[in-house]
Order: sequence, then C-alpha cells, then structure tokens
Amino acid sequence: AQSVTQLGSHVSVSEGALVLLRCNYSSSVPPYLFWYVQYPNQGLQLLLKYTSAATLVKGINGFEAEFKKSETSFHLTKPSAHMSDAAEYFCAVSDQGGYQKVTFGTGTKLQVIP
Amino acid sequence: DADVTQTPRNRITKTGKRIMLECSQTKGHDRMYWYRQDPGLGLRLIYYSFDVKDINKGEISDGYSVSRQAQAKFSLSLESAIPNQTALYFCATSDTVADYNEQFFGPGTRLTVL
Repeated sequence: AQSVTQLGSHVSVSEGALVLLRCNYSSSVPPYLFWYVQYPNQGLQLLLKYTSAATLVKGINGFEAEFKKSETSFHLTKPSAHMSDAAEYFCAVSDQGGYQKVTFGTGTKLQVIP
Repeated sequence: DADVTQTPRNRITKTGKRIMLECSQTKGHDRMYWYRQDPGLGLRLIYYSFDVKDINKGEISDGYSVSRQAQAKFSLSLESAIPNQTALYFCATSDTVADYNEQFFGPGTRLTVL
C-alpha cells in the first residue's frame, strides 16, 4: 500500500526566506509523485510532478522538488517566499501502471510573514 | 473558463435531508472522482468512475452514492445527511491517455449539515 507523510501541518516563513515543505512517501512500486497547491476558497492545482524522468523537478511559481529514492522523499522548495505563496500544499503519490490510485498527504499550510 | 465546475458552491442542510452535489467537466476526460476534505485529514476518496458504466467505491463510500449521467457529469448524493458529513467536497478528473494520474480539480462545494 502506498502512503504519504507530510511533516508539519503548519509552516511559517518570512517573506524572502527559503520555503521547505517536507514529504516522505511509501510505495511498493516505482511511484509518481505530485505537489498540489490549494489557495483559499479554491480547488487544488498541480504545482509539479515527478514521472521518473529528471529527479529535480521544476514547477510553477518558482517551486521545485527533488526525488530522492534512497530517502523516499520529495521535498518542495522555493528559494524566496512571496506573500502570494500563502496556501495549503499537498503531496501525493500514485503507482505507475494499473489503476494509478492517488493517495494524498494531510497537507501543510504555509504562512508567509511580511 | 472553468474546466471542472461544481454546483452548488455552498450548501447548508439539515440532518436527514437528501442532497445532491453536481460536477461537470469540459476537459473530455474519462475518469472522474469525488473527494472530501477535512482539516488535518487531507483528501479522502469517496467514489471514482473510469467511464459511464464503471463506478467504484473509494475508501469512505458509506453514506454516499454517485451517478455518472454522461462522460462529462458525475454527481454525488447523500441520501440522509448527517452532521459528520460536513466537509469540503471536491470533484476531479483525469485523463487515461497520460501514463500518470494527474488530477484536475473543481472549486469545491462546502457542505454544512446541521
């Protein structure tokens, strides 16, 4: 069975500081990995995805994530936080092949302090 | 131009009432999903459908039913609403052509059961 663990339900950073949101996964087969963002009163939208090509994945709005198989991690980073980055972020995992069930993490709310 | 729409966006109802949440999509995707989001629990899958004749239970289907009226429409019903069904509900779609299960979300329906 696949699972995702997001460390820290709330993260606060100062504007201009590094953003680091942690995600660890468990999967019995090679995974696909995703980060989604949810702005207030909106649905989730895809930030970036890992589909077994490059291990460093770049997404929208300056975010990137690195797939580390040895650490079973897919942490999300951004060098400099902007006020508009305040949102909830969800890590998700799906199996390659078959039904490709997607399992979401419990989310991390990012607060950006001016 | 919203690709995945949900109606209503907000609904307040009473215990025991029947309620239907509707989802429409213009993305041409075969797969559609219903999730509920609760604080601290992330997204949990209620039902999913791979096409009009293929409907499957997710991890928390008790108390819910669905109908796939057409490729573009997927509705979720609560036959007799109860307070612990108060949550944010999301419809999502995905494409069978892609090798990975990237999901596209509607804006959500906030349901309150009194």
